[in-house]
Amino acid sequence: EAGVTQSPTHLIKTRGQQATLRCSPISGHTSVYWYQQALGLGLQFLLWYDEGEERNRGNFPPRFSGRQFPNYSSELNVNALELEDSALYLCASSLMAGLGYYGYTFGSGTRLTVV
Amino acid sequence: RKEVEQDPGPFNVPEGATVAFNCTYSNSASQSFFWYRQDCRKEPKLLMSVYSSGNEDGRFTAQLNRASQYISLLIRDSKLSDSATYLCVARNQGGKLIFGQGTELSVKP
Repeated sequence: EAGVTQSPTHLIKTRGQQATLRCSPISGHTSVYWYQQALGLGLQFLLWYDEGEERNRGNFPPRFSGRQFPNYSSELNVNALELEDSALYLCASSLMAGLGYYGYTFGSGTRLTVV
Repeated sequence: RKEVEQDPGPFNVPEGATVAFNCTYSNSASQSFFWYRQDCRKEPKLLMSVYSSGNEDGRFTAQLNRASQYISLLIRDSKLSDSATYLCVARNQGGKLIFGQGTELSVKP
């Protein structure tokens, strides 16, 4: 079974540009979560999509946005990039949202560098 | 106050040692708990879920104390390969996972 796949692996952008990151969940998983992990910091929750809807959003500015497609894959868009957006962006999927002892399975991440 | 707090470490222990990680959570409505392991510059991987009655998986034992809002992870007979950052995680009532900052473990020969 394929795991969570993210692309690209690495992305280098200039300040002010836009970045698009992609994620394909494990087959059968309907929930997709995005996290940001800046160097030396913990995972910060960005966005949660389930069944095509945005369910929750972390404390990030509106220039961080995304969507989930009918096949449950997801995109994270970051507009007007700033140097401090440089981080590892992790996507995770889970079998179902809400209750239960289901942890997330993470993809290997996209390392975004803003110069 | 962070919703999930851990001692950042680092914990430096010799091979074969027993090491304990502690974690507290502030949201009493948190519903389930996990320990993840993250190797340097890699994605976090689920180590184990934490059940109310406590649970064990080989050398790893997890405990939950809901009254004290406290979670622990015990690693016995530590191996060099256990060196990693251990993340304490709580699922809130909305289904979102909240991660602690992580505790770094370094096991030395």
